[in-house]
Amino acid sequence: DGGITQSPKYLFRKEGQNVTLSCEQNLNHDAMYWYRQDPGQGLRLIYYSQIVNDFQKGDIAEGYSVSREKKESFPLTVTSAQKNPTAFYLCASTRTGAYGYTFGSGTRLTVV
Amino acid sequence: SQQGEEDPQALSIQEGENATMNCSYKTSINNLQWYRQNSGRGLVHLILIRSNEREKHSGRLRVTLDTSKKSSSLLITASRAADTASYFCATDAQGGKLIFGQGTELSVKP
Repeated sequence: DGGITQSPKYLFRKEGQNVTLSCEQNLNHDAMYWYRQDPGQGLRLIYYSQIVNDFQKGDIAEGYSVSREKKESFPLTVTSAQKNPTAFYLCASTRTGAYGYTFGSGTRLTVV
Repeated sequence: SQQGEEDPQALSIQEGENATMNCSYKTSINNLQWYRQNSGRGLVHLILIRSNEREKHSGRLRVTLDTSKKSSSLLITASRAADTASYFCATDAQGGKLIFGQGTELSVKP
């Protein structure tokens, strides 16, 4: 079955450490997205990519970086510059055009 | 930036009752979408309504869109305990990116 896989499910980061969240899809979707969700809040867009080797900043890109070397993969790195990284991170993908997004099951990142 | 604002923030009803959630947005849109999120999980796409549509149905879901008032509503008929979740509206304004609202937390009591 096609889908979108995020790993790990839980991640703990020490102060000053960079961590990378994985997002892989086998849906042949062109566009991929990273959102951040804080408790009781909606989703805020971090980065998105509509084509391989190209990506754009969302509303809260500071302290994050991404790459899109393959159509299937869109990893997110949370750098030490992100001062408040504790949150639930969601990856999504979609076909070009007016279609709904398919979401992964999320990664919960905690700073320890 | 938050484009959509849901109302109410929380809704508690009994099984069998209808649940209505509202969404308002600020700028012109290409389409508006509704998603559901169970606690601690990813979002699930429910329905998409285009800017030139006024109403859309999918099973027990009915979505309306009023572009003149920049608002949409999601009606869930004959609610079940399994409908307990958070519901989000999201607008596709430009660039193919969705902007989500804060969500409505629905609790359906058996």
